[in-house]
Amino acid sequence: AQKVTQAQTEISVVEKEDVTLDCVYETRDTTYYLFWYKQPPSGELVFLIRRNSFDEQNEISGRYSWNFQKSTSSFNFTITASQVVDSAVYFCALSPSGTYKYIFGTGTRLKVLA
Amino acid sequence: GAGVSQTPSNKVTEKGKYVELRCDPISGHTALYWYRQSLGQGPEFLIYFQGTGAADDSGLPNDRFFAVRPEGSVSTLKIQRTERGDSAVYLCASRPTGTDTQYFGPGTRLTVL
Repeated sequence: AQKVTQAQTEISVVEKEDVTLDCVYETRDTTYYLFWYKQPPSGELVFLIRRNSFDEQNEISGRYSWNFQKSTSSFNFTITASQVVDSAVYFCALSPSGTYKYIFGTGTRLKVLA
Repeated sequence: GAGVSQTPSNKVTEKGKYVELRCDPISGHTALYWYRQSLGQGPEFLIYFQGTGAADDSGLPNDRFFAVRPEGSVSTLKIQRTERGDSAVYLCASRPTGTDTQYFGPGTRLTVL
C-alpha cells in the first residue's frame, strides 16, 4: 500500500521558535519522489521541495531544511526561526516513479504566533 | 509567467444539477491533473491527462465524474447529478515534461446544497 502519514494535525509555536513537521511514508517501490507543499489561507498549494528516493542528502534552503531517512521512511521538514508568514497547512506527498500522481498526507496546520 | 488558473473560484449548486469546472494549465505543460480536497484532508487524485488523453482516471469516484482535455491544454471537469458529498475544493495542477513536480491552481470551491 502507498500511504503518507502526517501525525501532527496542528502545531502552534511562538515566532522565532524552530519547528519540525513530521512525514512518514509507505511504499514498496524502490524508486519514488517525495514532496512538500505549503497551502496558505489563499488555498493555492505552493511547491517547496522535491526529493528522489536515491538522494538522501539533507537539504537546506534559507530557513527551511529537510531530513530524508529511508531507514525510517521519513521526510521531515524543519523551519528555523519561524515567522508569522509561515502559518499555513503543510502537506507531504509521495509519488511512486512512473505513476506521475501524488499521494498526499492529511497535512499539518502550523500556527506561528507573534 | 502565468500560473495555473481555475474558474470559477466558487460554485454553488443544488443537488442533482450538472456542473463544469475549468482549468487552464501553465503554457507548455503537457500533463494536467485534477484532485479533490475535502475539508481538513489532503488532496485526493482524480484523473491525469498526458496531452489530450486520460493517462490515469483511477481516482474518479464514479461515473458521474468525467473530464476532458480536447486540445491538450484547457481541461474541464464535469460532474453530473451532483450530490452533497461532492462538496469540496477541486484542484487542478500541471506538470512540464521531464519532471515529477506539479504546479497547482487556486482551486474551485464547489458547494452542493
